[in-house]
Amino acid sequence: DAKTTQPNSMESNEEEPVHLPCNHSTISGTDYIHWYRQLPSQGPEYVIHGLTSNVNNRMASLAIAEDRKSSTLILHRATLRDAAVYYCILRAWYSGGGADGLTFGKGTHLIIQP
Amino acid sequence: GAGVSQTPSNKVTEKGKYVELRCDPISGHTALYWYRQSLGQGPEFLIYFQGTGAADDSGLPNDRFFAVRPEGSVSTLKIQRTERGDSAVYLCASSRSGTETQYFGPGTRLLVL
Repeated sequence: DAKTTQPNSMESNEEEPVHLPCNHSTISGTDYIHWYRQLPSQGPEYVIHGLTSNVNNRMASLAIAEDRKSSTLILHRATLRDAAVYYCILRAWYSGGGADGLTFGKGTHLIIQP
Repeated sequence: GAGVSQTPSNKVTEKGKYVELRCDPISGHTALYWYRQSLGQGPEFLIYFQGTGAADDSGLPNDRFFAVRPEGSVSTLKIQRTERGDSAVYLCASSRSGTETQYFGPGTRLLVL
């Protein structure tokens, strides 16, 4: 599986935007970029995913580089509840609907200061 | 609606014992996944069910680990002859199909003494 690289930790202030980077230089044409986050003592939860175009949802935005070798998860206005480990994951799409389990790295530990 | 539930939430056992961990997926979800998460690490894939059958069990570490999903809903992860290294949080996730968003349960914290 193609690998992702993320900073171990990042710190931000409450109510400020947060940009979480992810490098995936070996991404293939059929890999979707997924982001999950894991709050303390909880299971991971889905945040957003995309293929080539930038994506927005109620939780965040995903900016994907033109060459797809990197992406950035954007939290527009961080709150204390956004403190979590954020995982950038590549997930292959196979024709016919097949899929694999998610391959998590260590993620980025996001610390929000009040 | 109800999310993915896992029982027990915590399990303490002794080395060499047998344990069963249960996962109740979201109703109607055909795909079910088991992961294991050690302290300070991301979750590690163990096994994926599509319906009743194991579509991919490549993540099971050895033959002491086994999982079933006999009716295509509830799944049980079984660990025989537990070892201290099996101590981890065991996470279950489900999705409507194998290609869609996975919804995770809170996990079972297993401690092998």
